[in-house]
Amino acid sequence: QVQLVESGGGLVKPGGSLRLSCAASGFTFSDYYMSWIRQAPGKGLEWVSYISSSGSTIYYADSVKGRFTISRDNAKNSLYLQMNSLRAEDTAVYYCARSLGGVLVSWGQGTLVTVSS
Amino acid sequence: EIVMTQSPATLSVSPGERATLSCRASQSVSSNLAWYQQKPGQAPRLLIYGASTRATGIPARFSGSGSGTEFTLTISSLQSEDFAVYYCQHYNNWPPFTFGPGTKVDIK
Repeated sequence: QVQLVESGGGLVKPGGSLRLSCAASGFTFSDYYMSWIRQAPGKGLEWVSYISSSGSTIYYADSVKGRFTISRDNAKNSLYLQMNSLRAEDTAVYYCARSLGGVLVSWGQGTLVTVSS
Repeated sequence: EIVMTQSPATLSVSPGERATLSCRASQSVSSNLAWYQQKPGQAPRLLIYGASTRATGIPARFSGSGSGTEFTLTISSLQSEDFAVYYCQHYNNWPPFTFGPGTKVDIK
């Protein structure tokens, strides 16, 4: 059974940093591309970042480019999102998702990031 | 960037009735279109990909159609568990992937 469990969310001040993790199980993690998607409170879905199975190809949304870094450790079946220079508008639930091409086939339950002074 | 729009914003339907949700892309996305269902407090769930292929475990009452710029998600006979928000998302010429703003299906 595919399982994706995010962690690392919390309250952080503007300008601060946070590192999210996503622990994967139930599938061969190293075979799949992975994505981060976020959802601001009461709002819709926004794609954040995408990493290929080997980590060699990475994409970011313009809204986070230069501030966020996606990475993965296939030996640990884990996906990460390093978030720096956080802004109030980054407040959201962050989901990791297993991706097949651009299709987000499995989602974690999400972790809440709140950026506030 | 391809902009996705969805209509209506809210659809009020009685259980057992048919629901038809629309999604439009600002330029052609071929058949590279997915639909997701999100219930309150839950993560989204993949329903449809390739515009018309149901994901694993999705009931046959869910169907998708369309190509190019116009797409439809149809729920043939609404069950209580189908009341949720539905998002479309393109994955053509990405990045970025973009989502529509969602259609909320609620009980009439």
